[in-house]
Amino acid sequence: EAQVTQNPRYLITVTGKKLTVTCSQNMNHEYMSWYRQDPGLGLRQIYYSMNVEVTDKGDVPEGYKVSRKEKRNFPLILESPSPNQTSLYFCASSFWAGGPGQFFGPGTRLTVL
Amino acid sequence: GENVEQHPSTLSVQEGDSAVIKCTYSDSASNYFPWYKQELGKRPQLIIDIRSNVGEKKDQRIAVTLNKTAKHFSLHITETQPEDSAVYFCAASNLEDSGGGADGLTFGKGTHLIIQP
Repeated sequence: EAQVTQNPRYLITVTGKKLTVTCSQNMNHEYMSWYRQDPGLGLRQIYYSMNVEVTDKGDVPEGYKVSRKEKRNFPLILESPSPNQTSLYFCASSFWAGGPGQFFGPGTRLTVL
Repeated sequence: GENVEQHPSTLSVQEGDSAVIKCTYSDSASNYFPWYKQELGKRPQLIIDIRSNVGEKKDQRIAVTLNKTAKHFSLHITETQPEDSAVYFCAASNLEDSGGGADGLTFGKGTHLIIQP
């Protein structure tokens, strides 16, 4: 089954404790990206990757890091989480940057205390 | 970069009536316009999309129209049902002729559609 998976689905942590949210896709997609979703702000892109070892900043990259060592995986790293990073995070993938058919992961609900 | 405006932010309609959600975009180079539906607690899922060489596309009760001159596109849902209640996002991007996209999708802020029984 074609899918994008994320782990963990829910996470409560404290300020400053490094964390990683994993993302994996099994569709051989070139393009992967991370979004955060906040009430009234829609989906805002954090980082994206056009291919292995190629990553770039989206609209809201501050406080986040990513890596793309393998085509299928695109982890999101928060080196020192802060409360303003409390949000719902989605990983997404598609064959090309603008689509068509961008698939989203199930989401990760992160709370930073 | 691209900017997508979406209206209204909330739309309440009676079951069985039609719903229309509108989006405008700023970059005339954008040529791909998908719509996503996000049910409560779920991920956004693609429900319909349109490319700039087409003015209208239908899929059962949903349709999308595109006006390239005015740079706006709309989602139309007819005979609304309770399961249509969700947040809907429009988006725009530029798919180059080669199939690759120079930029990713730019999303609108979403419309919360409420179907009243």
